[in-house]
Amino acid sequence: AQKITQTQPGMFVQEKEAVTLDCTYDTSDQSYGLFWYKQPSSGEMIFLIYQGSYDEQNATEGRYSLNFQKARKSANLVISASQLGDSAMYFCAMRELHTSGTYKYIFGTGTRLKVLA
Amino acid sequence: KAGVTQTPRYLIKTRGQQVTLSCSPISGHRSVSWYQQTPGQGLQFLFEYFSETQRNKGNFPGRFSGRQFSNSRSEMNVSTLELGDSALYLCASSLDGLAPSGEQYFGPGTRLTVT
Repeated sequence: AQKITQTQPGMFVQEKEAVTLDCTYDTSDQSYGLFWYKQPSSGEMIFLIYQGSYDEQNATEGRYSLNFQKARKSANLVISASQLGDSAMYFCAMRELHTSGTYKYIFGTGTRLKVLA
Repeated sequence: KAGVTQTPRYLIKTRGQQVTLSCSPISGHRSVSWYQQTPGQGLQFLFEYFSETQRNKGNFPGRFSGRQFSNSRSEMNVSTLELGDSALYLCASSLDGLAPSGEQYFGPGTRLTVT
């Protein structure tokens, strides 16, 4: 079963507008972490934002915020005031406890965002 | 602080050959994970090393192996290359990977093409 689901393969947004990238997850753990990464065409994965399962407030990092709805198991990324440089692939990831007793990352399939001038 | 470095950045190999990829984590980071990224399968976890020991392993055949050295640098090896091994191989480091909040920092990747 898919543990991280990103239902939007591609998105367009006008420069300076806000955009929401969807992510839902599935876990039976109580303690887990949710992350968003950005992958430009160069290939490098860039860490954007983190939300812990016990965090009561939504995480924010500059123009990025994470809309965390625990009951719905969703962790959407909101990018405010989009810039041309935001055009990239965005991955949602979850870090959950593995059977080895350590944590393991699981990534979604990604959403390709294109910012239009 | 220097980021994660991976060498080489690009590699072309022939079917049946073997290849070794290298990753140097951020200074002080002890956990190194490897991922394979392909258009069809997305980002798939290969394995994680911590303090020279493999701590986690994904669902890849035994042709894929790795190791970590005492300075936390890691190598992964793929033997008997197949066309399907063509992919971007990403290495990621984190402090110790023992908490859900342990974000990983990725290197630029090695793009492997098997012909």
